[in-house]
Amino acid sequence: NAGVMQNPRHLVRRRGQEARLRCSPMKGHSHVYWYRQLPEEGLKFMVYLQKENIIDESGMPKERFSAEFPKEGPSILRIQQVVRGDSAAYFCASSQGHSNTGELFFGEGSRLTVL
Amino acid sequence: GQSLEQPSEVTAVEGAIVQINCTYQTSGFYGLSWYQQHDGGAPTFLSYNGLDGLEETGRFSSFLSRSDSYGYLLLQELQMKDSASYFCAVRDPSSGTYKYIFGTGTRLKVLA
Repeated sequence: NAGVMQNPRHLVRRRGQEARLRCSPMKGHSHVYWYRQLPEEGLKFMVYLQKENIIDESGMPKERFSAEFPKEGPSILRIQQVVRGDSAAYFCASSQGHSNTGELFFGEGSRLTVL
Repeated sequence: GQSLEQPSEVTAVEGAIVQINCTYQTSGFYGLSWYQQHDGGAPTFLSYNGLDGLEETGRFSSFLSRSDSYGYLLLQELQMKDSASYFCAVRDPSSGTYKYIFGTGTRLKVLA
């Protein structure tokens, strides 16, 4: 049973380009979370999605960032016109629902470097 | 909203016992979780406390006191492989969406 799959693992973009990060949740999981992590720092909440719905995007910048979780296919975190400050690790996590055990399953992350 | 505070760094020697504290300020509460993250790796779930008291899982134990808004992770018989960052996390009911919020993280260094 595959875990949470993220790709690409590493992505290099120049300023002004677009970055697309993909996340396939664990089988049977319908809740997806995206977090951003800078080196030596914590996990900052960005967005929480269920299939075809954005539940909470309060942690996501209003401009240049968008996320989706379509009925079919992976969840996508899209960053337009990237800037150097977007360089970070972006982690996706999934859960079956409102987990009674507080457990999220994380992917290995996508590390974005903006030149 | 929610905020969770942890010490930034803790150092201990192999074989010792170490406690990592987490204090939280919340407008509601639905349990405290702990995660471990090795450098360059993914966070992995360690434990969950929904009620007050101690939960034990092998060398790791986690404690919660809801009246004190406080919890801790206890690591016994430390091994070098325990060197990692540890995060506490809660679900945030204040927004109505119950998203998971993580603490600032504690970097544990285990010395030989």
